Amino acid sequence: DGGITQSPKYLFRKEGQNVTLSCEQNLNHDAMYWYRQDPGQGLRLIYYSQIVNDFQKGDIAEGYSVSREKKESFPLTVTSAQKNPTAFYLCASSQGRRTYEQYFGPGTRLTVT
Amino acid sequence: AQTVTQSQPEMSVQEAETVTLSCTYDTSENNYYLFWYKQPPSRQMILVIRQEAYKQQNATENRFSVNFQKAAKSFSLKISDSQLGDTAMYFCAFPDNNAGNMLTFGGGTRLMVKP
Repeated sequence: DGGITQSPKYLFRKEGQNVTLSCEQNLNHDAMYWYRQDPGQGLRLIYYSQIVNDFQKGDIAEGYSVSREKKESFPLTVTSAQKNPTAFYLCASSQGRRTYEQYFGPGTRLTVT
Repeated sequence: AQTVTQSQPEMSVQEAETVTLSCTYDTSENNYYLFWYKQPPSRQMILVIRQEAYKQQNATENRFSVNFQKAAKSFSLKISDSQLGDTAMYFCAFPDNNAGNMLTFGGGTRLMVKP
């Protein structure tokens, strides 16, 4: 089955630790995205990548980093510099053209204490 | 910058009845797409329907349809014969052509379908 996987579903970390969230897609999509969702709110873009080895900052990139070494993978690292890292993180992919909708993974709930 | 506004934070509807969720947006572009996404309690984002701005005909997907008013920049979602499984957050979204086609989301409408 084609789709997007994110792991783990729930993640707990101590304050001051970096943590990496996984996102994999087998849809052969060029573009991938990371969004953050806080309770009762919409999604905000953290980073996006339109092609391998290239990525761009979104609206709230501070305290986050990404890599895109393979077309199917787009991991997100939440660094200790992110002041409020506890949130729900969603990864998405699309064919990269404006006419195409984005498909989302199941999300990862990160809790930092 | 493009903006998407959903003015109804919460709505409720009786099972089998019809409900309309509103969305307005702001853009200077002429050709674009608009999307409605559903986020049930599982939090998985699911595409409900999409509308192409150059098409005058409103999009329809089974019980879901849109009322697209391009001049008014309005894009409402109508759910007919509401079912309990329709209970979810609904987000209107608009792709930003200047930012890798990232989606700008509205704040969402929480819909509760009552038995």
